[in-house]
Amino acid sequence: TQLLEQSPQFLSIQEGENLTVYCNSSSVFSSLQWYRQEPGEGPVLLVTVVTGGEVKKLKRLTFQFGDARKDSSLHITAAQPGDTGLYLCAGVTDSWGKFQFGAGTQVVVTP
Amino acid sequence: GAGVSQSPSNKVTEKGKDVELRCDPISGHTALYWYRQSLGQGLEFLIYFQGNSAPDKSGLPSDRFSAERTGGSVSTLTIQRTQQEDSAVYLCASSLAGTQIGEQYFGPGTRLTVT
Repeated sequence: TQLLEQSPQFLSIQEGENLTVYCNSSSVFSSLQWYRQEPGEGPVLLVTVVTGGEVKKLKRLTFQFGDARKDSSLHITAAQPGDTGLYLCAGVTDSWGKFQFGAGTQVVVTP
Repeated sequence: GAGVSQSPSNKVTEKGKDVELRCDPISGHTALYWYRQSLGQGLEFLIYFQGNSAPDKSGLPSDRFSAERTGGSVSTLTIQRTQQEDSAVYLCASSLAGTQIGEQYFGPGTRLTVT
């Protein structure tokens, strides 16, 4: 059983369209991170959110942390082929700092 | 500066053999994590080292798996008597401190194939 549930599992869209990926849990997280992973590489950190209700923007990517710190979303505006990858969310629930990862959302953006 | 490195990048081994996977974290990072990732899946936590504290081994799937971290730096993940279900990409990550908002930096992974 995944502590963090990501949806959808797979998303295929055309260049220029918008998309949203969700990360949900019944647990409260002290922080939550989003990563993007490309084939043959390790995940690369995109953002860390800490405060309930926090919104962070990274160019065309908007990240939101739920008010109760149990869920998060990643919205991509005007997606480009370079946005293709596996998007992973990871949360920390304890003071030890151990991360729990979701199963990921595979995003494919076609030209 | 240098990132997290892992070796070998690929390892093919026969069922029943032992394998050792190596991780060189970023210099000065006190926290080190090992994960396992099956094709197209998320990351499965294996083990976590933080400074000189006893490691969190709660994610190791069986007693065939073990890991060491020498001198607070390099780590080795050992899998004894490998099985076909051990085939996966093994990822190592390090962070500056095992705090609640510590950012993890990942290596490229070792792809293990057990035949």
